[in-house]
Amino acid sequence: QSALTQPPSASGSPGQSVTISCTGTSSDVGTYDYVSWYQQHPGKAPKLIIYEVTKRPSGVPDRFSGSKSGNTASLTVSGLQAEDEADYYCNSYGGSNNNLFGGGTKLTVL
Amino acid sequence: QVQLVQSGAEVREPGTSVKVSCKASGYTFTGYYFHWVRQAPGQGLEWMGWINPNSGGTNYAQKFQGRVTMTRDTSIGTAYMELSRLTSDDTAVYYCARGRTVPDTAWGQGTLVTVSS
Repeated sequence: QSALTQPPSASGSPGQSVTISCTGTSSDVGTYDYVSWYQQHPGKAPKLIIYEVTKRPSGVPDRFSGSKSGNTASLTVSGLQAEDEADYYCNSYGGSNNNLFGGGTKLTVL
Repeated sequence: QVQLVQSGAEVREPGTSVKVSCKASGYTFTGYYFHWVRQAPGQGLEWMGWINPNSGGTNYAQKFQGRVTMTRDTSIGTAYMELSRLTSDDTAVYYCARGRTVPDTAWGQGTLVTVSS
């Protein structure tokens, strides 16, 4: 199975909203509601910010939201803040007990 | 609090093997799978597989089948990932992460494995 497809970069000014897409196939994103998103700052371990497409773990600001349509999942960051500048990765269950990551998107806060 | 603590950095020569440990605390060890994820320098995340610490059952990404072995020792609450026949392409930070279908909120700090002659 191939990795999920994400744009390599995204950007926005403080206070704006930005959306990052994650495209898979009907065998993974399109079939299963097990899409998650991770935030990774340089030199740090990834941090779960969205799971099961739309759910946020405790402590994650509601500025982060997730959605899915067909084979594409999306992460929206509203009210951008400087600390949101990081790499973002999507992940999906791919059936047959397999798991896929996207290539990652570098979010720049201008 | 939930914590995963991994073993320290390793340097290996090509063709050899490396074994990374991941010690869990703060929750029931057998209640969640352990996923292993790696990240080559400047690259993205790559899922390697998982182990069910309750049964010992494993599932490996096709890319690593035949070269990776995931085990656990329930008596000390530790999961292990061993990768054999190392090449320079295996130079990466290796993470363990708690989870079920996908890795969740608890990740280890990462273990840098450098493969160099």
